Amino acid sequence: DADVTQTPRNRITKTGKRIMLECSQTKGHDRMYWYRQDPGLGLQLIYYSFDVKDINKGEISDGYSVSRQAQAKFSLSLESAIPNQTALYFCATSDPRWGELFFGEGSRLTVL
Amino acid sequence: AQSVAQPEDQVNVAEGNPLTVKCTYSVSGNPYLFWYVQYPNRGLQFLLKYITGDNLVKGSYGFEAEFNKSQTSFHLKKPSALVSDSALYFCAVRDGGTGGFKTIFGAGTRLFVKA
Repeated sequence: DADVTQTPRNRITKTGKRIMLECSQTKGHDRMYWYRQDPGLGLQLIYYSFDVKDINKGEISDGYSVSRQAQAKFSLSLESAIPNQTALYFCATSDPRWGELFFGEGSRLTVL
Repeated sequence: AQSVAQPEDQVNVAEGNPLTVKCTYSVSGNPYLFWYVQYPNRGLQFLLKYITGDNLVKGSYGFEAEFNKSQTSFHLKKPSALVSDSALYFCAVRDGGTGGFKTIFGAGTRLFVKA
């Protein structure tokens, strides 16, 4: 089983719909992240969480919200999806010493 | 501010030839440097990192990277490329000197290895 699991892997939705992307991990790491990948732009940080009670905005948090339900679970919500949120979304955890990231397989979201 | 530049969108190399994927960075403190690889329809996988010590670091799948402080570079290398190395490669930097958590990624370089 994967250490970081994301669901759904693919989702097509319409403008204005609420969408939730879920992430769970078995790495035992406290720190979790949501990134967005767009072609030619690398990865941009949306939100990050250092523990269950600590949630922080990243570079591009507008239009997104998150919930850290437990150490192992971190979900990303789009309250009212818009077409320019069409992207590949990654959840990640990080090693506590040096910070290398461990990614899920990604959730491809298409907003029509 | 932290930044990472990968000057090449794509690198083409013949199988068996050496490959280099370039990366330069900017951080205010001590750099923690990373390379990740992304295969089609997969998440990013950690390849290797430089934290301190020997400037040449070795990682997974026969890859290595050379840290050059004066040129602020961290180029990824492999002595003999394989077709299966074809993928998207990301360089990333974290400011270790300030205890920062934030990892900044380059835009990525697509490596194409021709048989």
